[in-house]
Amino acid sequence: DIVMTQPSDSLAVSLGERATINCKSSRSVLSISNNKNYLAWYQHKPGQPPKLLIYWASTRESGVPDRFSGSGSGTDFTLTISSLQAEDVAVYYCQQYYSIPGTFGQGTRVEIK
Amino acid sequence: QVQLQESGPGLVKPSETLSLSCTVSGGSINRYYWTWIRQPPGKGLEWIGYIYASGSTDYNPSLKTRVTISVDTSKNQFSLRLNSVTAADTAVYYCARGQWLFEDWGRGTLVTVSS
Repeated sequence: DIVMTQPSDSLAVSLGERATINCKSSRSVLSISNNKNYLAWYQHKPGQPPKLLIYWASTRESGVPDRFSGSGSGTDFTLTISSLQAEDVAVYYCQQYYSIPGTFGQGTRVEIK
Repeated sequence: QVQLQESGPGLVKPSETLSLSCTVSGGSINRYYWTWIRQPPGKGLEWIGYIYASGSTDYNPSLKTRVTISVDTSKNQFSLRLNSVTAADTAVYYCARGQWLFEDWGRGTLVTVSS
């Protein structure tokens, strides 16, 4: 299985500041055939179902605010919240869907400083 | 966007079978893949397996010998059965729409394995 590692369990960021969440995969999730990274990001708020934010490493799901952006390739990826809002407090998970079984990172909790 | 709702017992005895259902509303179950995912307390998310409306399935190799996912298109539901459970199967179980990318999720249901 591909192991997904999110180095930070949590981070605290001031409102309006940038939040950066990292994710590393144990093997590349970049497909040579289509040059796509099989990497997604989800947001999970307490009491709500998880929400797909980003797929193909950098494509925002419809309706997701543009303050959320994804970057990276191969084995190293980043989710950036450019200006943290109060409603962004949540746990964020990365997920690879390059190989079976799809695997998730342990999650990074984002809080307000 | 469809809505999903998990249902089933919150407590299962060791060695017995865990059974959950997921009811899909706001859309037909016939058009998509449907997945079960779980999250043990304090741990990450684990993909269990998926089913398509035709009945084709795929399962996580680590659970394959114990898992069955089925679909009832007449009820717009799909179900999970996990045999021979142990305390390690205690988790919040989610149903979701999608094969590898999960665009809609249920709120999850906690299943505790304990005597």
